Amino acid sequence: KNQVEQSPQSLIILEGKNCTLQCNYTVSPFSNLRWYKQDTGRGPVSLTIMTFSENTKSNGRYTATLDADTKQSSLHITASQLSDSASYICVVETGANNLFFGTGTRLTVIP
Amino acid sequence: DAGITQSPRHKVTETGTPVTLRCHQTENHRYMYWYRQDPGHGLRLIHYSYGVKDTDKGEVSDGYSVSRSKTEDFLLTLESATSSQTSVYFCAISSFGAGRGDTQYFGPGTRLTVL
Repeated sequence: KNQVEQSPQSLIILEGKNCTLQCNYTVSPFSNLRWYKQDTGRGPVSLTIMTFSENTKSNGRYTATLDADTKQSSLHITASQLSDSASYICVVETGANNLFFGTGTRLTVIP
Repeated sequence: DAGITQSPRHKVTETGTPVTLRCHQTENHRYMYWYRQDPGHGLRLIHYSYGVKDTDKGEVSDGYSVSRSKTEDFLLTLESATSSQTSVYFCAISSFGAGRGDTQYFGPGTRLTVL
């Protein structure tokens, strides 16, 4: 069964600290893996996308990693800011209009 | 939100009534999508369109219909709303089709409550 599982479900961290969010998938075949950020009350916004052959991709303070052999990805946030408070969604793409969404990790950054 | 608007943004309706949600884009993207987002579930695809009058079903299409008479507009209709259709609905657009590396841009969402 094609699944995308994210952990933890929720996370609270202090401003300025780092954190890592996890994404494990059983989706096959694999095309791309994408991370989205979704602010409360808004639509998701793409942060990074990685193909099968890429194992790391950065976007500012966000760094995504991919291990296609173990079917795991992580999103590392460095020096967190209050504006990082959001849900982070992992999405595995397998082909034309075929995407599998995780349920997301809810991150709260507190002062 | 990348030139995508959704209307209404909030709606409360009663079971059995028809409801139409509208998605409007100014980006001239070929593909448009309707998703629903519920607690404990990832975003789930309802229907999508790959051109004017060209649509296809997604994972959770039962109880929903769509229409696209113009490139910029994609309508989602609940013919007879049920409480299980209470959800947040998102429209998304992409140039050459999601799932092949093309980025989807999402609208702000419509919160629908069916009483």
